[in-house]
Amino acid sequence: DAGITQSPRYKITETGRQVTLMCHQTWSHSYMFWYRQDLGHGLRLIYYSAAADITDKGEVPDGYVVSRSKTENFPLTLESATRSQTSVYFCASGTGTSTEAFFGQGTRLTVV
Amino acid sequence: GENVEQHPSTLSVQEGDSAVIKCTYSDSASNYFPWYKQELGKRPQLIIDIRSNVGEKKDQRIAVTLNKTAKHFSLHITETQPEDSAVYFCAASITGANNLFFGTGTRLTVIP
Repeated sequence: DAGITQSPRYKITETGRQVTLMCHQTWSHSYMFWYRQDLGHGLRLIYYSAAADITDKGEVPDGYVVSRSKTENFPLTLESATRSQTSVYFCASGTGTSTEAFFGQGTRLTVV
Repeated sequence: GENVEQHPSTLSVQEGDSAVIKCTYSDSASNYFPWYKQELGKRPQLIIDIRSNVGEKKDQRIAVTLNKTAKHFSLHITETQPEDSAVYFCAASITGANNLFFGTGTRLTVIP
C-alpha cells in the first residue's frame, strides 16, 4: 500500500541522540497516529493528531515529540533516545478514532 | 483508561479446524471493537470490526461476537488455512475518544 509510508525502515542510534521517524500519507486522512509495538504489550498509542496543527498525547508520550504542519506528514521525534525506546514504531492514519486505522510498514528502532 | 485483555497468547490448530480468540474490556462505554491481523514482519491490517449495537458480525470464514453485559468479544476463524497463521490483535475504543486500546496479541499457527 503506497498510501502511508514510513522512513526509515530500520534505524540504529546511540543513547542520548535525537532521532526523527517520518510518516507520510496520501489519503488526506484527518487522523494520524503513532504506536509503538513491544512484545507483551501489543500496540500502545504514543501521540495522535486529529488535523493539521492539532496533536494530543496517547498512552505513552514521555520522551517523544510530534508535529503536524501538513495534513500528510506526522513526524515523531525522540528528543534524547533511551534504550527503553528500542521498539517497532507504527504510524497509522484514518478518518476517525473509531474507524479503520491504516498502518505504515513500521520502523524498527534500536537504541544502543 | 480502558484495559483490554486477550487470550490465549499462542494458539496452534490443525488446518481445517476452528480457532477462537477471546478478549475482555473494562470500560462499559467502549463501543467499537476491531480485530487486526499482523503477518510476520508486516503491518497490522483490519480484518473485521463490530460496534456495540450489533451482537455478531460475519465475513466469510471470520466472525466476531460481542457480549456487552459480560464485556467480552471473540474472534472465530473457521476452516483455518496456513495463510491464517499470524498475530491477531483485538482492540476497543469509545467513539470520539482519543485512543484505540489494543490487546497483547495472539500468535495463531495453523499446522498443515
